[in-house]
Amino acid sequence: DTGVSQDPRHKITKRGQNVTFRCDPISEHNRLYWYRQTLGQGPEFLTYFQNEAQLEKSRLLSDRFSAERPKGSFSTLEIQRTEQGDSAMYLCASSPQRGPTDTQYFGPGTRLTVL
Amino acid sequence: DQQVKQNSPSLSVQEGRISILNCDYTNSMFDYFLWYKKYPAEGPTFLISISSIKDKNEDGRFTVFLNKSAKHLSLHIVPSQPGDSAVYFCAASEVSYGKLTFGQGTILTVHP
Repeated sequence: DTGVSQDPRHKITKRGQNVTFRCDPISEHNRLYWYRQTLGQGPEFLTYFQNEAQLEKSRLLSDRFSAERPKGSFSTLEIQRTEQGDSAMYLCASSPQRGPTDTQYFGPGTRLTVL
Repeated sequence: DQQVKQNSPSLSVQEGRISILNCDYTNSMFDYFLWYKKYPAEGPTFLISISSIKDKNEDGRFTVFLNKSAKHLSLHIVPSQPGDSAVYFCAASEVSYGKLTFGQGTILTVHP
């Protein structure tokens, strides 16, 4: 399967702990996006990479959140000192850099529960 | 501020009939619009897109219509099938590769 993969699929943690999620984009997709989805809402943009450069960050991405894409391939999203409000589905998407139709393809997501 | 709105939380349709899902937006800078389908415990799956230079795009049973003056788009599914039952999200971006702004979603149920 050559789609976007995310690991882990589920994460349960206690408030105050740090968590890290991984996203592997579709091979040769040089754009990578992170979104967060809470119950009953659509996904909300968090941040976006083109190759290894982080080009845009949402106001939703507080100081406790950090994302990296060190070699322009996989990406990690870390949340420090988790809070109950961080409980959500974290979605990763990737898109190729070609033409006017740079459709974003999503992974299955990582569901985070903060107790 | 909700820049993309899907005002119908749910829609129920009989198999074989047309499903029409609606979406409104407020940001006049949006230039590229997409529809995604989402099943439980899965990520959104891309369905169809349209750029602002067009008013219609078709792909098999799916057609998206864009009315820029009304800032409105709709997704038509004809004929509807039970496998189409899912949550449908419309999304918009200012450039084709930019961040997506999503609506809240509409739950479509297609009854056999």
